[in-house]
Parts: sequence; structure tokens; C-alpha cells
Amino acid sequence: DIQMTQSPSSLSASVGDRVTITCRASQSITSSLNWCQQKPGKAPKLLIFAASTLQGGVPSRFSGSGSGTEFTLTISSLQPEDSATYYCQQSYSAPLTFGGGTKVEIK
Amino acid sequence: EVQLVESGGGLVQPGGSLRLSCAASGFTFSSYWMHWVRQAPGKGLEWVSRIDGDGTTTHYADSVKGRFTISRDQAKNTLYLQMNSLRAEDTAMYYCGKGLRVGVSGTVDYWGLGTLVTVSS
Repeated sequence: DIQMTQSPSSLSASVGDRVTITCRASQSITSSLNWCQQKPGKAPKLLIFAASTLQGGVPSRFSGSGSGTEFTLTISSLQPEDSATYYCQQSYSAPLTFGGGTKVEIK
Repeated sequence: EVQLVESGGGLVQPGGSLRLSCAASGFTFSSYWMHWVRQAPGKGLEWVSRIDGDGTTTHYADSVKGRFTISRDQAKNTLYLQMNSLRAEDTAMYYCGKGLRVGVSGTVDYWGLGTLVTVSS
């Protein structure tokens, strides 16, 4: 099975800061990497698929990059509504696997 | 508008069984891969299973293989998860999810609100 490792597990940043979350795969997954956002008590929401493609309706301050085994999610200017937990997920092969999550808090 | 509504969760004893349902609407159900993903209380997301559009191909997480069965009823636009030999570690919110595009098997673009399964004596 492919293991997904996210870092950091949590972070605290100010409104307007640039925030970067890293996700590493235990083997190459080409560009088969998704990012989703989950707010407390809510269902997850797809933000980015295929490593860098923004899902419709997602603000352009979110971006994704990477291929192979290393990927990043960047929030260019953190907003109060971005307080949430972010998960990466590989879609390369079954069983699909998620990273452990990164909790983003606003200072 | 895509809608996914899960039901069937509840309290069950260890070793028991439960069948979850996910009623889908707003898209051509039979064209899309469908998924089950779960989240234990206070924990991260864990993918459980997926099934292709015509119901012939299924995959499972190692943690549920041999105990859970995913299926779909095209006439009812409903996805199912039959859960047998339940364990305490199966306690979680169970979400169903729709595949991103026709033929895309590994990405979920819409999620239901979830149904809670509690395994306890």
C-alpha cells in the first residue's frame, strides 16, 4: 500500500500569510494527488485534483504543485474561512490512502 | 444539483452487522465510480471501498477486506455498504462519495453528510 505523509500536522498563521503544506508518497504516484479541506462537523470538500488542477468554485489563492513523491498545497494569502484541516490523498492505486491531515489555525 | 444522503448507521454490538445506504440524485448514477470513506471520532479520513459504474469492479481497504461488501442498485440510484463482523475500531462517521468524472476512479468530488456507526457492547 502507498503511504502518504503530511507535514506539518498543525500550523498557526495570520490572515494574509502564505501557507504551505507538504505531502510525501512512499512511492511515485505521478500526478495522482488530491487535496481536500474539512471543517469541523462537516464533510470534506475537494480543493485540488491531479496535483495542480483547481476544482470549480475553489478560490484561486489555493494552488497545488508537485509530481512523483513530493507535493505541496499553498494558500497564497490566508483568510479566516481557511481555518480547517487539510488532507492529501493519492488516487494512483487501490487501496486509496490519505495523509494524516494538517490542521490550520488562524492566529 | 448533486445530492448524496447516507442512512443506516447506528449502535451495533461487536460481531454484528449493519447495512449502510447512500441515495444519490442530480447525476447519472450508473456512469460514476462511487466510494465509501470513514472517519473515526477525532481522527483523520480513511478510504474504505469503491465500486465502478456498472458494479463489476470493487476495491477495499485492507482493514475491511473480507468483512465489508460494497454494491449498488442502479434502478434505485443507491449505493450500499454491507458491514459484517463489526469491531470497535469500525466506529466512525461513514461518508459516501461520487467519482469526479466518468471513468475517473480515484477522486471524490461530492460527499454526503455521513452516517454514524458505533460498535460497542
